[in-house]
Amino acid sequence: QVQLQESGPGLVKPSETLSLTCAVSGYSISSGYYWGWIRQPPGKGLEWIGSIYHSGSTYYNPSLKSRVTISVDTSKNQFSLKLSSVTAADTAVYYCARGLTREWFDPWGQGTLVTVSS
Amino acid sequence: QSVLTQPPSASGTPGQRVTISCSGSSSNIGSNYVYWYQQLPGTAPKLLIYRNNQRPSGVPDRFSGSKSGTSASLAISGLRSEDEADYYCAAWDDSPHVVFGGGTKLTVL
Repeated sequence: QVQLQESGPGLVKPSETLSLTCAVSGYSISSGYYWGWIRQPPGKGLEWIGSIYHSGSTYYNPSLKSRVTISVDTSKNQFSLKLSSVTAADTAVYYCARGLTREWFDPWGQGTLVTVSS
Repeated sequence: QSVLTQPPSASGTPGQRVTISCSGSSSNIGSNYVYWYQQLPGTAPKLLIYRNNQRPSGVPDRFSGSKSGTSASLAISGLRSEDEADYYCAAWDDSPHVVFGGGTKLTVL
């Protein structure tokens, strides 16, 4: 059974870089599939941030592309998100998920709330 | 504004059939598969329908999906109180990126 767990700071200062990690258990990332990040501002809908294929190819939301980096660490069986120059608008619950295709997300992690505030 | 358009709310009484629409364009729904996710209160989204009308194992057959042209629909028959949740449609857009609908809050009266 594949499980994903997000981790990282719950509070980030404006203009700094948000860094999150998603630990995967029950499946080897290097074996295949996409690995994605999706966020949800409080009380709002879902927004795709980006995905990385197991081979390392990346796909980013055009609206965030200039600030986003997604990478994979196969030795630790985890993947990471870095979002630079954050503002209050980046406050959200951040989810990681396995992508059977780029938009077919299953399963999801439980999510982690990141607040951007000084 | 979301690329895919959903009604913000829907409602029904137990046992009723409810449908939720998702409208897109030729670059997303019109040329790619549609996916539906269910988000129960306080939890992470869960895959409900994949490739327009396929149900993952464990999803009751009360849930069904369909697609026609640049629109898709999620139907829930035999509505139950535990179906009260937010529902999101999603698709790949040829721009290229993943697009979501704004979500529909389903209330069981």
